[in-house]
Amino acid sequence: EDKVVQSPLSLVVHEGDTVTLNCSYEVTNFRSLLWYKQEKKAPTFLFMLTSSGIEKKSGRLSSILDKKELFSILNITATQTGDSAVYLCAKFTNSGYALNFGKGTSLLVTP
Amino acid sequence: DAGVIQSPRHEVTEMGQEVTLRCKPISGHNSLFWYRQTMMRGLELLIYFNNNVPIDDSGMPEDRFSAKMPNASFSTLKIQPSEPRDSAVYFCASSLMEKSQPQHFGDGTRLSIL
Repeated sequence: EDKVVQSPLSLVVHEGDTVTLNCSYEVTNFRSLLWYKQEKKAPTFLFMLTSSGIEKKSGRLSSILDKKELFSILNITATQTGDSAVYLCAKFTNSGYALNFGKGTSLLVTP
Repeated sequence: DAGVIQSPRHEVTEMGQEVTLRCKPISGHNSLFWYRQTMMRGLELLIYFNNNVPIDDSGMPEDRFSAKMPNASFSTLKIQPSEPRDSAVYFCASSLMEKSQPQHFGDGTRLSIL
């Protein structure tokens, strides 16, 4: 199955810092790449990226996809303690329905 | 709007016992997915259904695992007999049944097999 590789595996920052999380993937029948945030329970959907170079934005979070270099980044500006979570990157499997997830980046924002 | 509902939230049982996990997808979603999450392997797909029909069960680890979806609003994942290595968080997710639709997850069932 296609690999999705996230880096770093974990990150500790201070409130107010800006962070960049990375996701690289192998391409086979690429459709879209997705970002999820997982706190203690369910992964919650953040973004779905299909086109290269188009930034998706939601408040202090933004994400962009580079289909030529096969990676995506998730940026969080002015981090808050509530941003502490595991951030998961995923791409659709060949079927186009199920998701293949990376191992996640664990982000801790300290006061 | 009600999200994906899973039960039980926690299950602790002894090795060899049968375990049944339950899921109610979001109304109107006709794709349903079962995932398992462990520290070692992350989130892995076990099986998914489209319109209540199992499409891909290649992620189901062994014959001890089975899943059913008798109707559009209910699915079960059963493990019989359970083993300690089955301990994990099991998530159910649902989506619309077009390709490339984001999935919405339930809160998961934390399963511990002693």
